[in-house]
Amino acid sequence: QKEVEQDPGPLSVPEGAIVSLNCTYSNSAFQYFMWYRQYSRKGPELLMYTYSSGNKEDGRFTAQVDKSSKYISLFIRDSQPSDSATYLCAMTHREAGGTSYGKLTFGQGTILTVHP
Amino acid sequence: DADVTQTPRNRITKTGKRIMLECSQTKGHDRMYWYRQDPGLGLRLIYYSFDVKDINKGEISDGYSVSRQAQAKFSLSLESAIPNQTALYFCATSDLGGNSYNEQFFGPGTRLTVL
Repeated sequence: QKEVEQDPGPLSVPEGAIVSLNCTYSNSAFQYFMWYRQYSRKGPELLMYTYSSGNKEDGRFTAQVDKSSKYISLFIRDSQPSDSATYLCAMTHREAGGTSYGKLTFGQGTILTVHP
Repeated sequence: DADVTQTPRNRITKTGKRIMLECSQTKGHDRMYWYRQDPGLGLRLIYYSFDVKDINKGEISDGYSVSRQAQAKFSLSLESAIPNQTALYFCATSDLGGNSYNEQFFGPGTRLTVL
């Protein structure tokens, strides 16, 4: 079983809809949780990050982390056609014996299409 | 100019051929990574390097090798390409002294097809 599971979709919604993207994970050591957005024929770019549990809001985007359930979510309000992309969750924990954070573990990515 | 560049952007090769994918960065980052992306499988780490003298295998390193020629350059080689190595390959960088969550910056990708 993969450490991080993400429903690959695809997900198609009308403009203005609220979108919910989710990931589950199995490694309780993960401490930073990120969402990357990848447009077609481009590399992924960091959209948001959250440390430990809780919510974080940035404009139309809200990231939630529930460490007790090992579950993270990204909500997009008033979705726009420009939000059409692949969304990848990613997680990291401290390197063994170190103080810095190491490599990221990614989910499979969810393909989102917002149609006008 | 792009901070992380990859060459070539597209490559078609035949089974058994040796090929090299190159990555260069101008961000001054210590850490570099190679990933492959396949539909429904997300990004899977092939190799990573935390500095010039440090090379580590990722989750899918079999059939691949890497070379960190300098802080700014990290190459991925397929010694004898096979069709199931057909994928989109990404190079990424991050800064050891940067933000603690290890934000990674990705190149534009190389689309590799092995016939």
